[in-house]
Amino acid sequence: ILNVEQSPQSLHVQEGDSTNFTCSFPSSNFYALHWYRWETAKSPEALFVMTLNGDEKKKGRISATLNTKEGYSYLYIKGSQPEDSATYLCAFNMYSGGGADGLTFGKGTHLIIQP
Amino acid sequence: DTEVTQTPKHLVMGMTNKKSLKCEQHMGHRAMYWYKQKAKKPPELMFVYSYEKLSINESVPSRFSPECPNSSLLNLHLHALQPEDSALYLCASSQDYTSGGYEQYFGPGTRLTVT
Repeated sequence: ILNVEQSPQSLHVQEGDSTNFTCSFPSSNFYALHWYRWETAKSPEALFVMTLNGDEKKKGRISATLNTKEGYSYLYIKGSQPEDSATYLCAFNMYSGGGADGLTFGKGTHLIIQP
Repeated sequence: DTEVTQTPKHLVMGMTNKKSLKCEQHMGHRAMYWYKQKAKKPPELMFVYSYEKLSINESVPSRFSPECPNSSLLNLHLHALQPEDSALYLCASSQDYTSGGYEQYFGPGTRLTVT
C-alpha cells in the first residue's frame, strides 16, 4: 500500500498572506507527482504534474517544487485570496512495469482564506 | 472543450436495483478512470481504461462492472450494491495512461446513496 501524506490537514490563512504545504510520497519507483485543487461542489482541477527531481512549476501566484530523492513536494501560494480556499490534493504515480501505475491520492490540505 | 461530464449527479438506489453511471469526454483522451471517494478520505482508484481496454482493476468487487463502449464514453454498471458503497464516484480522463506525466481532467461526480 502506497503512503502519500499531506500536511497540514487544514490551514486558516489571512487574506494577503503567503502559505505553503507539504506532500510526502515514496521515493522509490517514482514516476510523477500531481497537484489538484478541489473547490466545494466543483470538479478537482489539475494544477501541476511534475516528473523530474528539482522540477519547479508556477501558475500565477501558485508554485510547486519537487524532491524525488527524499520524497516530498511543496505547494506555495503567494498573497492568498479568498478564491484560493479549496482542498489541495497531491497524487503520486509509481513506476510499474512499462509505465505508470494509477494515481494514489493524499488526504488533502483544506485551505481557508479569511478576509 | 475541456469538460468531463457525468450523469446522473445524484442517484439513490436499493440493494436489489441495477443502475449505471455514465461519463463522457470529447477531448480525444485515450485514458479514462473511475474513482470512489468517501467523506473525509481521498479519491481511491477503481478502474483504468487505456485505449478502450481495461488496464487496471484495483480489486473492485464484481458488483461494480465498468464498460468502455468507445473512446469518449465510460460507464459503471451497478448491481446488488451494499450501503457501504454509498460515496461520490468520480470519472476522469487523460491524454494517455502508460505515461504518468499527463494531468487528469475530472468530472463533477455522481453522489450515490444505497439504501
